[in-house]
Order: sequence, then C-alpha cells, then structure tokens
Amino acid sequence: DTAVSQTPKYLVTQMGNDKSIKCEQNLGHDTMYWYKQDSKKFLKIMFSYNNKELIINETVPNRFSPKSPDKAHLNLHINSLELGDSAVYFCASSQGQGYQPQHFGDGTRLSIL
Amino acid sequence: AQSVTQLDSQVPVFEEAPVELRCNYSSSVSVYLFWYVQYPNQGLQLLLKYLSGSTLVKGINGFEAEFNKSQTSFHLRKPSVHISDTAEYFCAVSPFSGSARQLTFGSGTQLTVLP
Repeated sequence: DTAVSQTPKYLVTQMGNDKSIKCEQNLGHDTMYWYKQDSKKFLKIMFSYNNKELIINETVPNRFSPKSPDKAHLNLHINSLELGDSAVYFCASSQGQGYQPQHFGDGTRLSIL
Repeated sequence: AQSVTQLDSQVPVFEEAPVELRCNYSSSVSVYLFWYVQYPNQGLQLLLKYLSGSTLVKGINGFEAEFNKSQTSFHLRKPSVHISDTAEYFCAVSPFSGSARQLTFGSGTQLTVLP
C-alpha cells in the first residue's frame, strides 16, 4: 500500500499550458504539503494544509494554486507554465506539525518544453 | 527564521569505511532536528530525528547522529557504509512552536559509496 501517492509521475508539456498534479495519502494524517525540488536538489516548501485549511503559503507565483477537497487529498494546479517551473514536485503528509516526521510521495517530474 | 547548512555537497567513500555527513543550523528558537534520505527517483524517507533527551540518536540502516547544542550541529555518522547507502542526504529543522512549523532543509549531501 502506497502511503503518499502522486500522479502523474512524469509530466512533459509546453510553455503556456495549464496542468494539475494530484496527491493522496492513506495514512490518516491531517497535514499535507507541496515542495519544489530544483535541479540542484534544493527543497523548498510551497504550501501546507492542515485539516483542509491553508497554513503555509510561501512566496510562489499565483499561477500555482493548491486545492484540498478533503484531508486525504491535496492537488496542485499550475497555470501558464513557464520554463522555470521545470522541477520535481513532492507531496508530503504528517500528523500535525513540528516534531512529527513527514512522509513523502515519489515526486512528479515536470518538464517544460 | 531557521537556516540549515550542509557543509559538503558531495562525499565519496569506499565501501565498509566510516562516514560523517555534517550539518549545522541557525535558529532564534528551539528546533527539532531531522535527517532524511532520498534514493534516486524516490521521495524522502526519515532516517532519524532528535526531539529531546539523549543527544545521540540512532536511526534506520545503522545511521546515528549527535546533537551538539553549543556548536548548533547535528552530524550524521555510519561506522561502515554499503553500496546501497548511495543517496542524497538532507538535514532539516522544525521550530518547537508557532502557527506554521514547517521543515527547513539543507541543500543536501550526495553520498557515493565506491566498491
């Protein structure tokens, strides 16, 4: 059983398109996250939801919009894709924040042509 | 705000040799400390964490780390590495309190174990 699953695993698309990445967790956690990992492996938090409420909203372009229909799902929609959006996007979940470890999905590799 | 510095971006080491991956952090508040490992084409997995108590913590796969408050360090060690330990290792911190206690990651250390 996959604990945190993301779809799709690979996403290749052209500049200007709109795309979505889906994330689901079956761990019963109440907090979910989106991270961006760039080509140098640097990981940066983008968003976090706790019980469907947005609690972390880092400085990302407003072309990125997270949506949490329920505690087990956190999707990421990206409008008007740009070359600089090419990266690996990771979804993660945890029970609460702080000392609780986060469980990560395997990532979505987004390539913009 | 917190910051994490991983002093070595790449560490090559021969199989069965010991290894230490260095991590220093900066924070104006108390923090929890973590090490995560990322194998190729996978997400991150928790190796170990320091919350409180004994400063030497043991994790999975034979790894351990020591918290040093005076030096604000949390170095990761393994006495004898295997080829399968080849991966990217991330040190991370999270504040004790606050409304949005996110993880702040270091830039990662690529450990390559050579035969």
